[in-house]
Amino acid sequence: ELKVEQNPLFLSMQEGKNYTIYCNYSTTSDRLYWYRQDPGKSLESLFVLLSNGAVKQEGRLMASLDTKARLSTLHITAAVHDLSATYFCAVFYGDDMRFGAGTRLTVKP
Amino acid sequence: DAEITQSPRHKITETGRQVTLACHQTWNHNNMFWYRQDLGHGLRLIHYSYGVQDTNKGEVSDGYSVSRSNTEDLPLTLESAASSQTSVYFCASSAGQGLEQFFGPGTRLTVL
Repeated sequence: ELKVEQNPLFLSMQEGKNYTIYCNYSTTSDRLYWYRQDPGKSLESLFVLLSNGAVKQEGRLMASLDTKARLSTLHITAAVHDLSATYFCAVFYGDDMRFGAGTRLTVKP
Repeated sequence: DAEITQSPRHKITETGRQVTLACHQTWNHNNMFWYRQDLGHGLRLIHYSYGVQDTNKGEVSDGYSVSRSNTEDLPLTLESAASSQTSVYFCASSAGQGLEQFFGPGTRLTVL
């Protein structure tokens, strides 16, 4: 059974700092997705990673995928308050898409 | 612009009632999905469809059913609502298997 684990589940950081969110999964997959969700809102697609070594960057966020380690990271550079949200990774395997529990990020001034 | 919509956005019902949540997309996507979101569980897949007349069970399908009579719509039916089905439900669609999914605004369902 595919399991997807994110850590940390809660992250409070100061503006201007850097941090990394980790997404581990239990079985072979080369398709991984990162989503953002604001409170009370729907999910917004951030990154689609489709191969080993894939790296995508958008603004202060950078995502990478290591399929051999079954690990994806979402790196936050010089955090700003607007990045406060919950971030989900999701792994596609077979016909199934499994989501991590989410990382609730709070960026404080 | 293409979009995916859900209705109703909020619904309160009683235990044992049948409830249907609507999902409509104008992306012309073949693939459609229903998820439920609960605190501590992220999103869990309920049912999905890869095209008209195709439906498949997901991780948490018990007590739910779907039907796909056209490309645009995938209604989700709770046959006999239970309090454990109180949740936020999201519909999503994608252009192909394993491709990026686009999510609807969600339906908050409360079963009393």
